[in-house]
Amino acid sequence: NAGVTQTPKFRVLKTGQSMTLLCAQDMNHEYMYWYRQDPGMGLRLIHYSVGEGTTAKGEVPDGYNVSRLKKQNFLLGLESAAPSQTSVYFCASSMRREYADTQYFGPGTRLTVL
Amino acid sequence: AQSVTQPDIHITVSEGASLELRCNYSYGATPYLFWYVQSPGQGLQLLLKYFSGDTLVQGIKGFEAEFKRSQSSFNLRKPSVHWSDAAEYFCAVGGGSEKVTFGTGTKLQVIP
Repeated sequence: NAGVTQTPKFRVLKTGQSMTLLCAQDMNHEYMYWYRQDPGMGLRLIHYSVGEGTTAKGEVPDGYNVSRLKKQNFLLGLESAAPSQTSVYFCASSMRREYADTQYFGPGTRLTVL
Repeated sequence: AQSVTQPDIHITVSEGASLELRCNYSYGATPYLFWYVQSPGQGLQLLLKYFSGDTLVQGIKGFEAEFKRSQSSFNLRKPSVHWSDAAEYFCAVGGGSEKVTFGTGTKLQVIP
């Protein structure tokens, strides 16, 4: 069991470039999440998905898009990167139960936008 | 709206000393509360969670937390800290929805 994996681990972009971050989980979890982590701000939810083919906005969705075409994968896209999107991005997943459910996190992707 | 406050940004303790990390939450109903730990360069790992029953919750690595409804608190404790406990600790609140709100974290430094 690999758990939650994220690709790539590091990336440097120039302003205006686009990229896609891939999250994969092998635990058959229904729920998946994308967070960004910035110093002094904790984790903020970008987008989440409650099942294959569904996505929803979180706390800070602007400038990001997501897709969940397969249950095990959750993609985060940046169409036109901005320096404000420099951050560490974490993917997480949890089972279908909404209440008190543990989230399992990937190791993170460190993104720098110049 | 739900929220979490971790008033201590950094805490330094000596190895072997006791530890208490503070967490206060705001939630309109019975909350579900979590503590996660993040080691440098890693993702978050669940230490413990509370959703009902006994208000003193035991977790992994010798940690425990106590839910105090009257104080809206869920403080994390450990009786004797080890150097390997140096990490960042996040409190989180959720319940009744698929979204969990995280605090801003407390960074723990352990000195020999």
